[in-house]
Amino acid sequence: DSGVTQTPKHLITATGQRVTLRCSPRSGDLSVYWYQQSLDQGLQFLIQYYNGEERAKGNILERFSAQQFPDLHSELNLSSLELGDSALYFCASSVVSGINYNEQFFGPGTRLTVL
Amino acid sequence: AQKVTQAQTEISVVEKEDVTLDCVYETRDTTYYLFWYKQPPSGELVFLIRRNSFDEQNEISGRYSWNFQKSTSSFNFTITASQVVDSAVYFCALSEAETGGFKTIFGAGTRLFVKA
Repeated sequence: DSGVTQTPKHLITATGQRVTLRCSPRSGDLSVYWYQQSLDQGLQFLIQYYNGEERAKGNILERFSAQQFPDLHSELNLSSLELGDSALYFCASSVVSGINYNEQFFGPGTRLTVL
Repeated sequence: AQKVTQAQTEISVVEKEDVTLDCVYETRDTTYYLFWYKQPPSGELVFLIRRNSFDEQNEISGRYSWNFQKSTSSFNFTITASQVVDSAVYFCALSEAETGGFKTIFGAGTRLFVKA
């Protein structure tokens, strides 16, 4: 158990809908990262937050947005869902962001199925 | 541009064989971090090792060892005396600093089958 929690574990929804994925980092970790894992794209970095601020951005679609709250949990919002958004979404956390970078610890993931 | 290449898509070995998973990376930065993660069939991603770009020391942890060579931009992973429980997908990853944060690129992964 990495200490990172993600809810829900599974999510099934329809095209055009909006969903919110939630992540709680390990105790003491200030950085949260979101990734998408799909068969055709592999593991793709979406976005990083550090202590509530966006710090790095990857291949995140405009239909997707994220935020990190004062209690450090994070939410990834996916809207106008398409079939191709079906994937496993991982959240990871690490201690710091900056010079002293540390490894990321991953949550169990949320499997999103768009029908 | 950042890139991580794991040329081996799948490897199949018999238990107790040694196996090396290759990882080649591209980066323009002089400071970067390399990682290996394991994804067993259950789906979670398990951290195995981190290497800083300025530390080329190789590392051994039990049956696992890593060979980092900046001259060839490679960070290879060797499992000695493989076991069935080593069957998983292994990912190599590269992180670079970006505007106060870190952007991480993962390789496509190498699926390792260890047969009894």
